[in-house]
Amino acid sequence: GAVVSQHPSWVICKSGTSVKIECRSLDFQATTMFWYRQFPKQSLMLMATSNEGSKATYEQGVEKDKFLINHASLTLSTLTVTSAHPEDSSFYICSARTGQRLASNQPQHFGDGTRLSIL
Amino acid sequence: KQEVTQIPAALSVPEGENLVLNCSFTDSAIYNLQWFRQDPGKGLTSLLLIQSSQREQTSGRLNASLDKSSGRSTLYIAASQPGDSATYLCAGGSSNTGKLIFGQGTTLQVKP
Repeated sequence: GAVVSQHPSWVICKSGTSVKIECRSLDFQATTMFWYRQFPKQSLMLMATSNEGSKATYEQGVEKDKFLINHASLTLSTLTVTSAHPEDSSFYICSARTGQRLASNQPQHFGDGTRLSIL
Repeated sequence: KQEVTQIPAALSVPEGENLVLNCSFTDSAIYNLQWFRQDPGKGLTSLLLIQSSQREQTSGRLNASLDKSSGRSTLYIAASQPGDSATYLCAGGSSNTGKLIFGQGTTLQVKP
């Protein structure tokens, strides 16, 4: 149980293109979803937290107009990288959990990640 | 601010050896601690989750411990196998912010 599906797994596109990444919880209701970014050989850095039906909360230094997050349902969150440039190339990973309480003790379940390459 | 540190950054051992990966955190106000495995170019696989009220969790050849007072967690891998080669990440869930803070990871290589 607790499967999170992330799509696409790999995308290559030209500079200036907008790219949408989907994160779905397949067998549970994800009241909270998280988006992370990982540079090569580095750890995961939290970009934003989204609760279903609410605006996402972005971490310091993350441009909310650049990285648009939508969490319209209990099973789907999307991250759109707008007008992507080569410096946006990275590995993006989503996670999902039940429980909206800030310090929920429910575990986060992770997707398989999306490798984004901007030419 | 919570900081999570993992030592060593890399480890190479012969097959069959028992090994310990270390994780330390600066803020004891955590509600859980998770250990993950990440294969190259892949997402995260959750290995063990220890709630703040627990001291350890076991799954097969893996045993994770948590000592909140000293700010430490360890992942013990028994009888290591080449298939255990991967990067192991620990992450603490902050009671103050609700966020999962990751360490830098330990890259393990088990040689046949």
